[in-house]
Amino acid sequence: AQSVTQLDSQVPVFEEAPVELRCNYSSSVSVYLFWYVQYPNQGLQLLLKYLSGSTLVKGINGFEAEFNKSQTSFHLRKPSVHISDTAEYFCAVSELSATNKLIFGTGTLLAVQP
Amino acid sequence: DAGVTQSPTHLIKTRGQQVTLRCSPKSGHDTVSWYQQALGQGPQFIFQYYEEEERQRGNFPDRFSGHQFPNYSSELNVNALLLGDSALYLCASSPQTWDTQYFGPGTRLTVL
Repeated sequence: AQSVTQLDSQVPVFEEAPVELRCNYSSSVSVYLFWYVQYPNQGLQLLLKYLSGSTLVKGINGFEAEFNKSQTSFHLRKPSVHISDTAEYFCAVSELSATNKLIFGTGTLLAVQP
Repeated sequence: DAGVTQSPTHLIKTRGQQVTLRCSPKSGHDTVSWYQQALGQGPQFIFQYYEEEERQRGNFPDRFSGHQFPNYSSELNVNALLLGDSALYLCASSPQTWDTQYFGPGTRLTVL
């Protein structure tokens, strides 16, 4: 069975500072990895995904993530955050299989302060 | 190009009632999945539909059922509502059963 752990429920950060949101996963098979963002009272928007190839993945809004197979991690980073980045961020995995069922972590609230 | 759409936006029901939620997938997508997101939690997979059949199901009771129509749109039905069914219900579509999922805005269900 797969699982996803987001180690921080909330990350406060000042505007223009760098940020890292941590994600670790557990799976007995190879997986695809995703980060989604959820703004208040909205659905989920895909930030970036890792399917194969380069372990450094760039996404929208200046975010990037690095896949580390040995540490089973997929941490999300941004070098300089904006107030508008305040949202809930979800890490998710799916098996390399015929279906794309997603297993989500519990989310990390990124709270950007002026 | 319209994304995934869901209706209604909000819904209030009482315990024991039945509810139907609707989803239209993104153009060109034939696979629809449903997720339940309780307050403060990550989304939980309910089931996936492809070619009008349920392909995979998460750990949800039979009170949760679904349907997919020939135009790929989908419905989620929940019978005998419980207070614990209060949540945001998210629909996601993808161009293949194994491909990236794109989410709709969700339906907020409140059970009183």
